[in-house]
Amino acid sequence: GAGVSQTPSNKVTEKGKYVELRCDPISGHTALYWYRQSLGQGPEFLIYFQGTGAADDSGLPNDRFFAVRPEGSVSTLKIQRTERGDSAVYLCASSSRRSTDTQYFGPGTRLTVL
Amino acid sequence: DAKTTQPPSMDCAEGRAANLPCNHSTISGNEYVYWYRQIHSQGPQYIIHGLKNNETNEMASLIITEDRKSSTLILPHATLRDTAVYYCIVRARGEGAQKLVFGQGTRLTINP
Repeated sequence: GAGVSQTPSNKVTEKGKYVELRCDPISGHTALYWYRQSLGQGPEFLIYFQGTGAADDSGLPNDRFFAVRPEGSVSTLKIQRTERGDSAVYLCASSSRRSTDTQYFGPGTRLTVL
Repeated sequence: DAKTTQPPSMDCAEGRAANLPCNHSTISGNEYVYWYRQIHSQGPQYIIHGLKNNETNEMASLIITEDRKSSTLILPHATLRDTAVYYCIVRARGEGAQKLVFGQGTRLTINP
């Protein structure tokens, strides 16, 4: 079946601009996660949704970052006033039934802030 | 979640078994050992997980020591496509245990 998909695959923006990154989880998966991966590092947790609500947003670095999942399926990660330090690969993962189930990752969106 | 320690890099000849070690000496009784790998420019790929018994699937085998303080991921017949960064992660089950905490992983290079 279809895996987790993310769009766009690449995004180049200028410092100060607003960006939106989209994640389509595996059909039927109720849990959705966002991670960020800087060059040469392992992925770092940002936020976790169970259904429509953000159950844990402790990894969001500051209030410029926000994520939504209004219908409990597709999620959008929103970054305001982008900074060069936001450049990274943003990964989305989903899991079924409960948050403790195995997470399956998408291919990621590479964000470059000039 | 308990911390894991992995060697930064390893090499293995194509066709041989690749054995990737992981130390997790502070693991708790309710924590599972998960393995993911990340091939260049792709998202992490789930490989296998286990609690205390050895596990095997179509990708790999996972051997966990009796005291659960370390484990080994075994790729029985490594191919060039197995070249990737391999992450060993310890993760509890239950509420409050959702996120995966990735370390630096082991960069495995399969040589022809």
